Amino acid sequence: DQQVKQNSPSLSVQEGRISILNCDYTNSMFDYFLWYKKYPAEGPTFLISISSIKDKNEDGRFTVFLNKSAKHLSLHIVPSQPGDSAVYFCAASAWGSNYKLTFGKGTLLTVNP
Amino acid sequence: DVKVTQSSRYLVKRTGEKVFLECVQDMDHENMFWYRQDPGLGLRLIYFSYDVKMKEKGDIPEGYSVSREKKERFSLILESASTNQTSMYLCASSSPILAGGGGQFFGPGTRLTVL
Repeated sequence: DQQVKQNSPSLSVQEGRISILNCDYTNSMFDYFLWYKKYPAEGPTFLISISSIKDKNEDGRFTVFLNKSAKHLSLHIVPSQPGDSAVYFCAASAWGSNYKLTFGKGTLLTVNP
Repeated sequence: DVKVTQSSRYLVKRTGEKVFLECVQDMDHENMFWYRQDPGLGLRLIYFSYDVKMKEKGDIPEGYSVSREKKERFSLILESASTNQTSMYLCASSSPILAGGGGQFFGPGTRLTVL
């Protein structure tokens, strides 16, 4: 039973345009959400997070939106750059879970020059 | 900077061998995790530890065991390696406070091939 779903395995955008990566979750106990970026042959690196008490968090070119009623979050990258090409993982944590993260399967973003 | 190091970047072992993957973190984090990453399956949690000598099974613990004798070190053990354990293994650590802390910090990964 997949509790965190990234339904798009891949996404391709032009440099300078907006990239929107989507993530859905089923567990209503999740209260903290994170996005990680992963380059080939490297470990994932933390990108941005959001608590369930917020609906938006922004950090430079990256913004995460959370819609709790729809159990949906999205990551917006504006403007997209070729260096953003990587696999993006959505992850979620539930209070009292010993800080375990449940990850989605990832979305491969390709930003074309 | 938080640093999580893994003993090997690439490892090739034979079926039936006992394999040890080592992970060390330098941030005095209480929590440590082992994942495997496979194409199309994302990151799956094998085991985690929230304190020295404490461990809990993740989603796919079969065929694996772990050891945490010191706070900074978390080892993953494949008792008898099999070809279906060929994968990228990722270690991570975190403090007890996720919020604002950047979540889990990952090592560079070990690409294990079992022949």
